[in-house]
Amino acid sequence: KQEVTQIPAALSVPEGENLVLNCSFTDSAIYNLQWFRQDPGKGLTSLLLIQSSQREQTSGRLNASLDKSSGRSTLYIAASQPGDSATYLCAVRDNYGQNFVFGPGTRLSVLP
Amino acid sequence: ETGVTQSPTHLIKTRGQQVTLRCSSQSGHNTVSWYQQALGQGPQFIFQYYREEENGRGNFPPRFSGLQFPNYSSELNVNALELDDSALYLCASSSGPTHQPQHFGDGTRLSIL
Repeated sequence: KQEVTQIPAALSVPEGENLVLNCSFTDSAIYNLQWFRQDPGKGLTSLLLIQSSQREQTSGRLNASLDKSSGRSTLYIAASQPGDSATYLCAVRDNYGQNFVFGPGTRLSVLP
Repeated sequence: ETGVTQSPTHLIKTRGQQVTLRCSSQSGHNTVSWYQQALGQGPQFIFQYYREEENGRGNFPPRFSGLQFPNYSSELNVNALELDDSALYLCASSSGPTHQPQHFGDGTRLSIL
């Protein structure tokens, strides 16, 4: 059974810092991995999707990497801003590709 | 193109009652997946509907049931509500049951008193 964990559970940084969020999964037989952002009480916004054959994806100040063999992914946020404050969720889909298995999320606060 | 919409936004029920949550899928999508997100946790897969049939289920009891209609909109029904059913319920639609990107709605916040 696939399990996804995220470290740290919460993070508070001053504006402008670069930061790394970590995601680990137990079964390396994944189809893809996706990072989502969730604002309080809201739905999920997709940030980056990495296919199992890819090593990384970039969008603006965000960079996500994938090491499938070790069961790890990182989300790097450059020059953090208060508007980045949210919960960041990592999710994997197995090779059947039906549903996501989500991690518990990292709650990020960027202080002005 | 209309995105995924869920109704109602918020709902308050008491233990033992029954509830129905609704999801309108994005245009062109024939698959709806439902997730339950308890406070402080990641979403958990409840079940998926594809072409009006249940097509996979997570570890949820039978009192969680669903429907999908010919226009591919979907309902999630929960009977005999328990306090632990308090959560954000998210639906996601996609253009197929596997491997297709899932587009999420904003969810329904269900509170059980």
